Amino acid sequence: AQSVTQLGSHVSVSEGALVLLRCNYSSSVPPYLFWYVQYPNQGLQLLLKYTSAATLVKGINGFEAEFKKSETSFHLTKPSAHMSDAAEYFCAVSRTGGGNKLTFGTGTQLKVEL
Amino acid sequence: ETGVTQTPRHLVMGMTNKKSLKCEQHLGHNAMYWYKQSAKKPLELMFVYSLEERVENNSVPSRFSPECPNSSHLFLHLHTLQPEDSALYLCASSQDRTAPYEQYFGPGTRLTVT
Repeated sequence: AQSVTQLGSHVSVSEGALVLLRCNYSSSVPPYLFWYVQYPNQGLQLLLKYTSAATLVKGINGFEAEFKKSETSFHLTKPSAHMSDAAEYFCAVSRTGGGNKLTFGTGTQLKVEL
Repeated sequence: ETGVTQTPRHLVMGMTNKKSLKCEQHLGHNAMYWYKQSAKKPLELMFVYSLEERVENNSVPSRFSPECPNSSHLFLHLHTLQPEDSALYLCASSQDRTAPYEQYFGPGTRLTVT
């Protein structure tokens, strides 16, 4: 079985500061990993995904994530936060050969302050 | 219309009512999904359809009845719901159900059961 743990249900940063959202996964086989963002009253939008190619994955809106097998982590970062980044972020995992079934974390609400 | 659309966006229903949620994808995808998003809980996959055939039912109570008449449309028929069924119901689609295709989400239907 696979699972995802997102540390910190709420993260607050100042505008212009580094954004770091943590995600650790558990999977018995090589995983595929995803980060999604959800703005208020909207569905989820894919930020980026890891599919066993490069371990550093770049996504939309200046976000990137690094797959670290030894740490079973896939943390999301952005060098400089913008007010428009305020949203809820979800990490998800699916397993190779397991179809497109995603297991989501509980989400991290990002607040960006002036 | 583009992407994945869902109607209605908001629904209030009594426990004895029957209602339906509608999802339409304009992306030419072959797989469609229903998810339930409750506060402080991970997204729960409810049903998966691939080429109009139900391929997954995650132990969802029978008061939720999905229907997929074609690859572009997905319905969730609701009857005799419970207050704990109040949640955001999200529809998603993907190119097909094999990983790691991205899932595209609709904006959701906010359901309140009174």
